Amino acid sequence: QTVVTQEPSFSVSPGGTVTLTCGLSSGSVSTNYYPSWYQQTPGQAPRTLIYNTNTRSSGVPDRFSGSILGNKAALSITGAQADDESHYYCVLYLGRGISVFGGGTKLTVL
Amino acid sequence: EVQLVESGGGLVQPGGSLRLSCAASGFTFSTYWMNWVRQAPGKGLEWVANMNEDGGQKYYVDSVQGRFTVSRDNAKNSLHLQMSSLTADDTAVYYCARWKRDCTNGVCYGGYFDYWGQGTLVTVSS
Repeated sequence: QTVVTQEPSFSVSPGGTVTLTCGLSSGSVSTNYYPSWYQQTPGQAPRTLIYNTNTRSSGVPDRFSGSILGNKAALSITGAQADDESHYYCVLYLGRGISVFGGGTKLTVL
Repeated sequence: EVQLVESGGGLVQPGGSLRLSCAASGFTFSTYWMNWVRQAPGKGLEWVANMNEDGGQKYYVDSVQGRFTVSRDNAKNSLHLQMSSLTADDTAVYYCARWKRDCTNGVCYGGYFDYWGQGTLVTVSS
């Protein structure tokens, strides 16, 4: 069973930079997994931020960026703002129609 | 404007059945894979099932295999999820989500969830 790992929580100061990661319990994440990232605030549907590792979805500010760092996918937020306080989920595509979500990272801006 | 509107959620007893629907508009429904994603109360997102453009391919997460059936009606721009043998672990908000793939010369790669509905709550309880 494929397990996608994310930090359960993270905090960042307003204006600061934070990097959230997305790994595999076994193996390395590469662009071949087409990593994508989603933001979700309580009571709302997820919002698509990043796809294909590093492509921003329409309307997403350029302070959000995606990359591969070492053996993980990464979501970086530069110049964090109060309304960035959310849950962030990564998704890895395993092929044959199968996608797996990470457990999510709760980001606090304080 | 792309819209996905889920319906059919509600309270059901353990062992019962429920059928969810997702009404799609604003895009050519028959040219997209479609997915169901769920979120248990206070928990993370979990991919549940999907179906390709013509309904010929269906995939499920292991925990619902054999109990849930995904289907679609391209003439009515709708996606469905028939759920049976429900347990408390199936209690969740169920989201309908469109899957966008990159295709070049007829070959498609990867993909991501590009549009989401607002979800419908399924509660399994006696």
